Amino acid sequence: GAVVSQHPSRVICKSGTSVKIECRSLDFQATTMFWYRQFPKQSLMLMATSNEGSKATYEQGVEKDKFLINHASLTLSTLTVTSAHPEDSSFYICSASPGQGDTDTQYFGPGTRLTVL
Amino acid sequence: SQKIEQNSEALNIQEGKTATLTCNYTNYSPAYLQWYRQDPGRGPVFLLLIRENEKEKRKERLKVTFDTTLKQSLFHITASQPADSATYLCALAPTGGFKTIFGAGTRLFVKA
Repeated sequence: GAVVSQHPSRVICKSGTSVKIECRSLDFQATTMFWYRQFPKQSLMLMATSNEGSKATYEQGVEKDKFLINHASLTLSTLTVTSAHPEDSSFYICSASPGQGDTDTQYFGPGTRLTVL
Repeated sequence: SQKIEQNSEALNIQEGKTATLTCNYTNYSPAYLQWYRQDPGRGPVFLLLIRENEKEKRKERLKVTFDTTLKQSLFHITASQPADSATYLCALAPTGGFKTIFGAGTRLFVKA
């Protein structure tokens, strides 16, 4: 149980284009989903917290107009990188939490490798 | 500011030995601490969670300790196998909060 999928797993795009990444919880309902970015040999950096049916909460320094998040249902959240530039190239990982109990054990997706040319 | 430190140098050990990884934190009072495994190009996989009032937690060949006085957690893999080779991340979550902070991870190599 507790499987999270991401699509696509890998994407290469030209500078200036927009890229959408999907995150789905396959066998549970995710009250909360998280989007992270990870650069090589660095820790996961939280970009935003997404709650179903409400606006995402962005971390300091993350541009909400550039990284659009939509949490349309309890099993789907999308991240759209708008007008992507080479510096946006990174590994984007989502996670989902059932939001029950007093711990927030997160179940991670397999990640999406974004390369902006 | 809050800081989580994991040994950035890779840990190389021989198969069958016990691997011990360290996670230290400062300016933080976590309600619980988690350890994740991450393989190259993949998302992290949850391994163990230990609460602030617990000293030790075990799961099969894994053991985690949590010393809130030293602000340190140790992660042990006994009878290590080459398949245990991966990066191990520690993560902390605050009391009553929901935001988890991750360390950069320690790369473990187990040689056959």
